[in-house]
Amino acid sequence: GENVEQHPSTLSVQEGDSAVIKCTYSDSASNYFPWYKQELGKRPQLIIDIRSNVGEKKDQRIAVTLNKTAKHFSLHITETQPEDSAVYFCAASEAYKYIFGTGTRLKVLA
Amino acid sequence: DADVTQTPRNRITKTGKRIMLECSQTKGHDRMYWYRQDPGLGLRLIYYSFDVKDINKGEISDGYSVSRQAQAKFSLSLESAIPNQTALYFCATSDFRGNTDTQYFGPGTRLTVL
Repeated sequence: GENVEQHPSTLSVQEGDSAVIKCTYSDSASNYFPWYKQELGKRPQLIIDIRSNVGEKKDQRIAVTLNKTAKHFSLHITETQPEDSAVYFCAASEAYKYIFGTGTRLKVLA
Repeated sequence: DADVTQTPRNRITKTGKRIMLECSQTKGHDRMYWYRQDPGLGLRLIYYSFDVKDINKGEISDGYSVSRQAQAKFSLSLESAIPNQTALYFCATSDFRGNTDTQYFGPGTRLTVL
């Protein structure tokens, strides 16, 4: 069946460094790729998304890139801060159907 | 997002008990969803509803049922709870625009089945 692989499962970076999380999807019909941030005990919050007709999107320190040919998309966080520490989930979507990755626990070390 | 609320936020119950989790939204979205989250498994879809008269099974619907009482309300029931239904449950709503569907999550219900 369709799946989304997300790597790494945990990631530790020093404050100020960059963090990259990668996802690979299997469903060629996927056309929307959101990223969610989930802080401990909180709900997943949408932080950035990209549609299949765009290769890159940036919002301040966060960017997402999409390679539809390779079925890869990635989240890039620059100048990381302690408040960026959370679990990040990618998803691949076609219409209502979301397939989530298994999450990356990001720790930003002060 | 305060526009999507869930009750209760925490619940401990015993094996065999019936339990209902409720979700309400003021976002005016037609589409609503129930997910469960387990450590290391991400979010998995249980049921979804595109409007009051439309209910569909998701990836892991066995052991669950739902009711869409109104556009703003979507309830998840466990008819006879079992320990492996211990999980964090999220309701979500979505606004389908331009062939994409952005989902917004409620605060979650932590359910423990003893």
